[in-house]
Amino acid sequence: ETAVFQTPNYHVTQVGNEVSFNCKQTLGHDTMYWYKQDSKKLLKIMFSYNNKQLIVNETVPRRFSPQSSDKAHLNLRIKSVEPEDSAVYLCASSRTVYAEQFFGPGTRLTVL
Amino acid sequence: GDSVTQTEGPVTVSESESLIINCTYSATSIAYPNLFWYVRYPGEGLQLLLKVITAGQKGSSRGFEATYNKETTSFHLQKASVQESDSAVYYCALGDLGTGGYKVVFGSGTRLLVSP
Repeated sequence: ETAVFQTPNYHVTQVGNEVSFNCKQTLGHDTMYWYKQDSKKLLKIMFSYNNKQLIVNETVPRRFSPQSSDKAHLNLRIKSVEPEDSAVYLCASSRTVYAEQFFGPGTRLTVL
Repeated sequence: GDSVTQTEGPVTVSESESLIINCTYSATSIAYPNLFWYVRYPGEGLQLLLKVITAGQKGSSRGFEATYNKETTSFHLQKASVQESDSAVYYCALGDLGTGGYKVVFGSGTRLLVSP
C-alpha cells in the first residue's frame, strides 16, 4: 500500500523553465529525503530533512531547493532546469535517520 | 567517500535455480556501517528487503539471505531457489555516519530476470 506520494509522475519541460515536485508521506515519519536517479540508475541523495530541518545537503547545483512546510511534506523546486537534470527524482521517508526508508514511485523529469 | 559496488545486470536465472548477487562496499566512518538490500518490483516503489547492522550477522527475508562480512567488506545476496515473482531490481546500500551526518549510499542496482 502506497504511503509516500509524489506528484507529478512525469514532467517534460524546456531548458530554463522552473519546475516543482511534491512529496507527501502518511506514515508519521520524522525524516524525509530527495534522491536523484540518473540514466545509469545510480541513486544519489540530494537532501534530507528531520522534523522540517535540513540535515543533509549534498553538493547539488543551487538551482535545486527543497521546501518543507511540515513533517509530512517535502517539495523540490528546480529553478531554470538544465538538460542534465533529466532523471527520476525519488522521495523517501523514515521514522528516524537510521531507520528503514520508504520510497515513493518517483517523478520522471525530461528536459528538452 | 562511501561507495557500493554490485553485480552489473541484467542477471538471468531459470526458476528454481540458485542466485547470488555480489555486493562490496567501502565505508569511511570508523564504525561499521549498516548494510541493506532494497528491491523494486515491477510497478512498485523501492522497498527494504533486509538489513544487517552487526558485522558477522546474517539477514533474511522472503527466502533471500545476506551475511555482513567485514573482512571482505561484502554483503552478497543469495537465494537457494528463485521464483518468477523474484524478478525485480535489487539495490545494495550502506548507511554510514560521516562528517555530513548519517547517509545511505546505494549501489547502481542489479536487474534480475527469472525465466519460467
